[in-house]
Amino acid sequence: RKEVEQDPGPFNVPEGATVAFNCTYSNSASQSFFWYRQDCRKEPKLLMSVYSSGNEDGRFTAQLNRASQYISLLIRDSKLSDSATYLCVVNIEYGGSQGNLIFGKGTKLSVKP
Amino acid sequence: EADIYQTPRYLVIGTGKKITLECSQTMGHDKMYWYQQDPGMELHLIHYSYGVNSTEKGDLSSESTVSRIRTEHFPLTLESARPSHTSQYLCASGNRGTAFFGQGTRLTVV
Repeated sequence: RKEVEQDPGPFNVPEGATVAFNCTYSNSASQSFFWYRQDCRKEPKLLMSVYSSGNEDGRFTAQLNRASQYISLLIRDSKLSDSATYLCVVNIEYGGSQGNLIFGKGTKLSVKP
Repeated sequence: EADIYQTPRYLVIGTGKKITLECSQTMGHDKMYWYQQDPGMELHLIHYSYGVNSTEKGDLSSESTVSRIRTEHFPLTLESARPSHTSQYLCASGNRGTAFFGQGTRLTVV
């Protein structure tokens, strides 16, 4: 079983739609969580961290459910410029080690006019 | 914007050549990573480092090697390039669980 699993999509949605992505992780030692965005043929960039209490950044809302080991990203009022691949990322730390970032395969979003 | 730089951005090279992909960051991060990514595919971790003189192999078996003699510098070397090495190589650095990526090196081995 992959450590971080995401639906690869693609999610094809019209402008203005609300779209949600889920991600599950298998390692309960996972300690911090993130969503990254990767545009076509570009490098990944940090979109937002994910906190247990949930957090919002404009049209983007991230949620973490530790009990069920999943993370979600909600995009409201989607724009054409939101078209990208969204990567779910967990940081796993063991004992005193600095841990490692584990990337999901990504979910592709395509927003259409 | 993150201060992490990769050179060259594009490289076309013949089979059997030795190549070094450069990666430098000016943020003072201890952790650095090398990922390999084919177009439209997932990222694969090939090497990482926790700091000077620390290097570890990642999840994906790679014929490349890395070194970390200085905090800011994490070069990746292929002793003998093959067509199967054709891919994009992304360097990243970070701390507290985040990573900042360079723009990548697109390598083509002919």
